[in-house]
Amino acid sequence: GDSVTQMEGPVTLSEEAFLTINCTYTATGYPSLFWYVQYPGEGLQLLLKATKADDKGSNKGFEATYRKETTSFHLEKGSVQVSDSAVYFCALKDSGQNFVFGPGTRLSVLP
Amino acid sequence: DAGITQSPRHKVTETGTPVTLRCHQTENHRYMYWYRQDPGHGLRLIHYSYGVKDTDKGEVSDGYSVSRSKTEDFLLTLESATSSQTSVYFCAISESRDSSYEQYFGPGTRLTVT
Repeated sequence: GDSVTQMEGPVTLSEEAFLTINCTYTATGYPSLFWYVQYPGEGLQLLLKATKADDKGSNKGFEATYRKETTSFHLEKGSVQVSDSAVYFCALKDSGQNFVFGPGTRLSVLP
Repeated sequence: DAGITQSPRHKVTETGTPVTLRCHQTENHRYMYWYRQDPGHGLRLIHYSYGVKDTDKGEVSDGYSVSRSKTEDFLLTLESATSSQTSVYFCAISESRDSSYEQYFGPGTRLTVT
């Protein structure tokens, strides 16, 4: 079946450092890809998405590009802030109703 | 923010008792989902609904049942709670089965089974 793999972390960075969180997927067909963010005590919020190959999703300084050839959707941000500390989930949705989530990556940004 | 509420937000219950969690939406979205979140597992789908009275099982449905009698409400019942069902439960909604449509999540219910 479909699956999503991502580094679990925790990832600890200093403020203004560059962030990469790797995400790879296995799926039949052409899924849509998502990054969600979860702040402490809250539900998941959509951060960005891409629905076809070579699409780039972006929001709040975060970016991810749908790479079909490497089945990847890595999350990047050029300069992280303390307020970016959260858990980040990579996810895919197939042509049906299946959403598949990765295990989440905890990010801590130190001042 | 999508209009999704969950109740209760926190619950402690004893092994063997029935528990019902409620998800309420004001968005009139067709699809509703229940997930559980456990460390190292991400989110795992318990059940989902694709319309009133239309539900289907997810990856981890054993020990859970659901009902949807109105578009806006989706209930999750633990028929006889066990300690393995201690978890954080999230409800989500989605407008369409189209693959481009994202899910919106509620704030979660933390359930502890003692």
